[in-house]
Amino acid sequence: AQTVTQSQPEMSVQEAETVTLSCTYDTSESDYYLFWYKQPPSRQMILVIRQEAYKQQNATENRFSVNFQKAAKSFSLKISDSQLGDAAMYFCAYRSAWVYNTDKLIFGTGTRLQVFP
Amino acid sequence: EAQVTQNPRYLITVTGKKLTVTCSQNMNHEYMSWYRQDPGLGLRQIYYSMNVEVTDKGDVPEGYKVSRKEKRNFPLILESPSPNQTSLYFCASSSLGARAGSGSGANVLTFGAGSRLTVL
Repeated sequence: AQTVTQSQPEMSVQEAETVTLSCTYDTSESDYYLFWYKQPPSRQMILVIRQEAYKQQNATENRFSVNFQKAAKSFSLKISDSQLGDAAMYFCAYRSAWVYNTDKLIFGTGTRLQVFP
Repeated sequence: EAQVTQNPRYLITVTGKKLTVTCSQNMNHEYMSWYRQDPGLGLRQIYYSMNVEVTDKGDVPEGYKVSRKEKRNFPLILESPSPNQTSLYFCASSSLGARAGSGSGANVLTFGAGSRLTVL
């Protein structure tokens, strides 16, 4: 069974600085998808970025980028130029590419990010 | 606006009193699912449905029921709630059009706003 591990329960960053959130996963599959979700105090689950395992290139969405290391099974999220609105819980998630009867996501336990002015 | 709507958003109930959390989506998605979120555990899938009248258990189905009589609705039923079902619940949906492995990218789940349930 696949697992996702986020070893940092809490992180903090100064406004305008850069912070990296860690995520590792375990799987025997070769094709899969990885996601980072943001959950602000409103509790809404917001997709931040996604990565397809068969793509070598790291995904980027504006100030958010990932460092995908397939061999190491690592998927970290880098937030550049941090803003107060980035303060939230961040979840890393895994989805198999080979399961055709479910879009099930396997989530990590989350990292709470605080942003200080 | 494309969305997944859950109700109620907040509910406090007592042990054993049956309750239903409704979920409705307006995107004509085939796939719908329920997750629960608990501190230190992340989100875990409870049940899912691939289409009308097709449902199956996720990782933590005990104490829950679901039904899918219409494509747009996927209610979560707690027949006899217990305090260990106190949690934050999310409904999610996605289209099955672009399948995994096709190279066209993963389907993105659209989540509802969450329902905070407290069982006393």
